[in-house]
Amino acid sequence: GAVVSQHPSRVICKSGTSVKIECRSLDFQATTMFWYRQFPKQSLMLMATSNEGSKATYEQGVEKDKFLINHASLTLSTLTVTSAHPEDSSFYICSAKRPVGGTDTQYFGPGTRLTVL
Amino acid sequence: QQPVQSPQAVILREGEDAVINCSSSKALYSVHWYRQKHGEAPVFLMILLKGGEQKGHEKISASFNEKKQQSSLYLTASQLSYSGTYFCGTGSLPSNNDMRFGAGTRLTVKP
Repeated sequence: GAVVSQHPSRVICKSGTSVKIECRSLDFQATTMFWYRQFPKQSLMLMATSNEGSKATYEQGVEKDKFLINHASLTLSTLTVTSAHPEDSSFYICSAKRPVGGTDTQYFGPGTRLTVL
Repeated sequence: QQPVQSPQAVILREGEDAVINCSSSKALYSVHWYRQKHGEAPVFLMILLKGGEQKGHEKISASFNEKKQQSSLYLTASQLSYSGTYFCGTGSLPSNNDMRFGAGTRLTVKP
């Protein structure tokens, strides 16, 4: 199956610092990647759609200036949480879109657990 | 708009069967099923396209009723490894850029 990696898997940072999370598609090219946030025992909430070579599309209520997304190549998208605060602590998961059976589906990375102190 | 999953949670004994349902208020192009283990990312199980097809993956199969905008995931003769949270993702566009996930169904299989 398709492999998507995320780095780092865990990060603990102080309030006010910025954190960058990388999402890579290892064995396929992905023009579209997605960033999700998941709270404990809850569903995946889409934050933004990352498009290679163009600006990301953010979901309503997601601050563009706080969650910076860059999709510089067909295999890499990055999410930077700027000036992180404790309420930003969460499990962040990326996915990459890949053709399957005549359409596209999403393959997920292993996730990044962010803890802001 | 998020699809609605039911039930919220299921507890089974090994070897028992379960059905997880996913319904949407929008016309659907595709339904995607995933399983997530605690602390891990969701793993893709299968995708169903409009046309009422049924698919299988080991002892896990699914159906998609396009007219009713519903999909069901069938787990037969459940194994301990089937434990986890099952999510359906639904999309109305061929691109699936509009895919949204249900709240999840927590499945626990006990010996």
